[in-house]
Amino acid sequence: QVTLKESGPTQVKLTQTLTLTCTFSGFSLRTGGVTVGWVRQPPGRPLESLAVIYWNDRKLYNPSLKDRLSITKDTSQNQVVLTLTNMDPVDTATYYCARSNILTGHYDTWGQGALVTVSS
Amino acid sequence: DIQMTQSPSALSASVGDRVTVTCRASQTISKSLAWYQQRPGEAPKALIYEASTLQSGVPSRFSGSGSGTEFTLTISSLQPDDYATYYCQQYKTYPDTFGQGTKLEI
Repeated sequence: QVTLKESGPTQVKLTQTLTLTCTFSGFSLRTGGVTVGWVRQPPGRPLESLAVIYWNDRKLYNPSLKDRLSITKDTSQNQVVLTLTNMDPVDTATYYCARSNILTGHYDTWGQGALVTVSS
Repeated sequence: DIQMTQSPSALSASVGDRVTVTCRASQTISKSLAWYQQRPGEAPKALIYEASTLQSGVPSRFSGSGSGTEFTLTISSLQPDDYATYYCQQYKTYPDTFGQGTKLEI
């Protein structure tokens, strides 16, 4: 059974750095074709892709946030870590991690999400 | 970025109705399109990928069609469990982008 779960702070202050961890099971990021991505959703708003990391350590970032984002993986721990610097109240959102693969392209399994609130 | 436009933004329907949601891409994406269902307080759930392939475990009343820039999601006979918000997503080019959502209400 494939599962993903996001963890991290529920609240951060203006200008701080957010670090979120996605811990997954049921698959490996050593397997060719597998990717894990981060998507966020501000309250009452649509979904926005942030970053994705591939099994071969290729990384893609949303250009609108590229200067603030970093994504890394720890295959031994089955974890993917997202950092977002210089947090602002507009970054208040539920942050999801999700699995995909290069054959199908879509996110077939999602974590439950982690709500992060930015206070000034 | 490729813009995804869904219509309608909200839809009122009854149990048993046939419902169609449309998604339009700002440029051609071949068949690189997925549909997701999101209930309040829950994560999105994949329904369809590659425009028309049903995700494993999804009821057959859900179907998708289209290619290029025009796509549709159809629910053949609405069930009480189907009241949710539906999003389309293109994954032809990163950043993959989502539509603004269609809220299905009673």
